[in-house]
Amino acid sequence: AQSVTQLGSHVSVSEGALVLLRCNYSSSVPPYLFWYVQYPNQGLQLLLKYTSAATLVKGINGFEAEFKKSETSFHLTKPSAHMSDAAEYFCAVSVGANSKLTFGKGITLSVRP
Amino acid sequence: DGGITQSPKYLFRKEGQNVTLSCEQNLNHDAMYWYRQDPGQGLRLIYYSQIVNDFQKGDIAEGYSVSREKKESFPLTVTSAQKNPTAFYLCASRGGQPNTEAFFGQGTRLTVV
Repeated sequence: AQSVTQLGSHVSVSEGALVLLRCNYSSSVPPYLFWYVQYPNQGLQLLLKYTSAATLVKGINGFEAEFKKSETSFHLTKPSAHMSDAAEYFCAVSVGANSKLTFGKGITLSVRP
Repeated sequence: DGGITQSPKYLFRKEGQNVTLSCEQNLNHDAMYWYRQDPGQGLRLIYYSQIVNDFQKGDIAEGYSVSREKKESFPLTVTSAQKNPTAFYLCASRGGQPNTEAFFGQGTRLTVV
């Protein structure tokens, strides 16, 4: 069975600081991995995805993530946080042909002025 | 514009009543999903469908029912058997391959009083 673990429920950074949101996955077969962002009372929007091409994936709004098979990780980073980055972030995994998409519990990112 | 539409955005019902949430997509996607979102619990899968006239239970299907009579539509009924129905419900659709991302609607916030 596939699963995703997002450690910690809340991360707070200063504006301009590095953002690092952690995601570890569990899968017996090569996974496809996704990061989504959610603003209050809205649906989820795709930030980026890993589909077994390049291990370093660049997404929208300056975010990127690196797939590390040895660490079963897919951490999300952004060099310099902006106030508009304050939101909830979800990591998700998909494997095989059943198309089921499994999400982590999410991390709330706060950005301090 | 292509997309996925959930209606209504807010819904109030009395305890003991069944209620149906609408989800429509014009992305020509084969797979559709219903998730429930509660604070601190991430997205939990209720039901998903990979093809018309077929659907599978997710992790928390008890007290819910769905139908998939048309490719474009995947309505969710919250029955009186669901013990704690107040939540934010998200519908998503996705192409048939596991490396494709899901597209989300804007959600329906259901409050049962």
